[in-house]
Amino acid sequence: SFELTQPLSVSVAPGQTASITCGGNNIGSKDVHWYQQKPGQAPVLVIYRDYNRPSGIPERFSGSNSGNTATLTISRAQAGDEADYYCQVWDTRLVFGGGTKLTVL
Amino acid sequence: EVQLVESGGGLVQPGGSLRLSCTASGFTFTSYSMTWVRQAPGKGLEWISYISSPGTTIYYADSVKGRFTISRDNAKNSVYLQMNSLRAEDTAVYYCARTYCTASTCYSAYWGQGTLVTVSS
Repeated sequence: SFELTQPLSVSVAPGQTASITCGGNNIGSKDVHWYQQKPGQAPVLVIYRDYNRPSGIPERFSGSNSGNTATLTISRAQAGDEADYYCQVWDTRLVFGGGTKLTVL
Repeated sequence: EVQLVESGGGLVQPGGSLRLSCTASGFTFTSYSMTWVRQAPGKGLEWISYISSPGTTIYYADSVKGRFTISRDNAKNSVYLQMNSLRAEDTAVYYCARTYCTASTCYSAYWGQGTLVTVSS
């Protein structure tokens, strides 16, 4: 089955750019989706189909996908962006990465 | 406004059963697949089951296959998860999610608030 690999944690200074990667075998051939989850809350879709933002998601969130790595980029990071982020693909099931804890400090 | 409300969670003994419900509103329920995803305490998201909009295509994660059954009642805008032979490792918050599928992918733009299932003696 398809597996997705994410770093356990990423740190970024306020106002700087954070990049969260999601690795998978030829993941560039799949559509990748990203979710943000804050403590005690349900996940929120922040990027779908590699780079599309749902309505209400700030333009600071962007995505890319090529080769064996998909990337979620958060520009001008804010304290409110602190959360766990999960990548996901479809492989006759929803496959989630293990999640990355983003710390803004 | 899209809303998904789960219910039916609680404390159950190992080997016991529970039936989770998810009631949808604010969208045309028959147009969407539905998914159950769970999250064990302090852990990541784990997909466990999928049902297509007409209910004719169903998938399960290996971890629950043979023990859990997903179903939907389009007349009641509801999706269900019957959970049997529960184990301690099934302890988690269970989310239902509206799942949009194209020819090549599926993703979930709307999630319920989750319902906690605790399996313990």
